[in-house]
Amino acid sequence: DTGVSQNPRHKITKRGQNVTFRCDPISEHNRLYWYRQTLGQGPEFLTYFQNEAQLEKSRLLSDRFSAERPKGSFSTLEIQRTEQGDSAMYLCASSLAAPTGRETQYFGPGTRLLVL
Amino acid sequence: GDSVTQMEGPVTLSEEAFLTINCTYTATGYPSLFWYVQYPGEGLQLLLKATKADDKGSNKGFEATYRKETTSFHLEKGSVQVSDSAVYFCACYMEYGNKLVFGAGTILRVKS
Repeated sequence: DTGVSQNPRHKITKRGQNVTFRCDPISEHNRLYWYRQTLGQGPEFLTYFQNEAQLEKSRLLSDRFSAERPKGSFSTLEIQRTEQGDSAMYLCASSLAAPTGRETQYFGPGTRLLVL
Repeated sequence: GDSVTQMEGPVTLSEEAFLTINCTYTATGYPSLFWYVQYPGEGLQLLLKATKADDKGSNKGFEATYRKETTSFHLEKGSVQVSDSAVYFCACYMEYGNKLVFGAGTILRVKS
């Protein structure tokens, strides 16, 4: 399977705990994105990387959230001191950068987080 | 700011009925437009796309035409099947941005 993969698929945690999610993009893709999707809504952009550089972060990404892509391949998203409002589906997408933004993003299956 | 508006659901159709899901966008420049589909418990799958005005994207019997004059990208299918039941998201990739902006999604239910 050469698609985007995410682990774990489901995570249940208690409020105040830290959680970390992993995303493995399509191998030749140089851009990697994180989105958050809450029930009944479309995905909302959180952050993106081009190779190992984090180039943009949304205002949705509070200081409890941190993302890394250390070698320009897989990425991790960590949430510290989780809150019940963090419960959502966290989606990862990857793409190959194209001129004038005409790229296509391919999504992974997501990690569903439930904070109790 | 940039935004995408989809018709609200759920849309409930009988098998073999004609489907239209409306989508309009607000953006500067010339964005690329996409339809993604999400089946229960899964991530988003790319359904079709169009990158410039008057382009028609098509896949699996679904079609959408990029209409710059009406800033629309309506999704259509001539004959829906039960297996088409899912949530459909319209999305816009802004020309000078680096992220997709999604609509709220439209639930489609097809009855046999």
